[in-house]
Amino acid sequence: DTEVTQTPKHLVMGMTNKKSLKCEQHMGHRAMYWYKQKAKKPPELMFVYSYEKLSINESVPSRFSPECPNSSLLNLHLHALQPEDSALYLCASSLRTFAYEQYFGPGTRLTVT
Amino acid sequence: AQTVTQSQPEMSVQEAETVTLSCTYDTSESDYYLFWYKQPPSRQMILVIRQEAYKQQNATENRFSVNFQKAAKSFSLKISDSQLGDAAMYFCACRNSGNTPLVFGKGTRLSVIA
Repeated sequence: DTEVTQTPKHLVMGMTNKKSLKCEQHMGHRAMYWYKQKAKKPPELMFVYSYEKLSINESVPSRFSPECPNSSLLNLHLHALQPEDSALYLCASSLRTFAYEQYFGPGTRLTVT
Repeated sequence: AQTVTQSQPEMSVQEAETVTLSCTYDTSESDYYLFWYKQPPSRQMILVIRQEAYKQQNATENRFSVNFQKAAKSFSLKISDSQLGDAAMYFCACRNSGNTPLVFGKGTRLSVIA
């Protein structure tokens, strides 16, 4: 199974809402990543988890809060987002942090109204 | 830090023909890895091919091959016998060895004409 799954596929939320994005993999990977991708741009790294511990936070605003409950699951909690946060949010995983190919999920298309 | 440059924002190719996407990179490291990712309209980033800098032989995956010119810091992707399903955004990416993130180029949008 070489699949990274993400739910939901689409999410529309107001600026006062609280929502969560979910990412799951069952490949035994110990590194998981969140990326943000705006239209026609490359992905931008947000967070990296290695062995369930946050190892990189690329100066992401606190309205984005990652969580890694176990080695297979990665969440991104959203609160008080701005319209400019509308984007495709991609999750990825790799066997070890950066040392191997990253496998990407299909993404969650987020629209903040 | 590495930089990756894709100078062709858009390319098109006739079905069954061959197309080459360009990528140049810059890194001060001697040990690094290069990748081509494909992102179709379905949005999922799919790894197409990877190349280790220490390997002189160009990587090949079925219809996809690379021309890796280490001295010129060039890493182009050749797609042979193009198919409609090859239409996508293609991102070149570079990663230094060790615990360093991927750096992506800005992408090349490939259209395949039937």
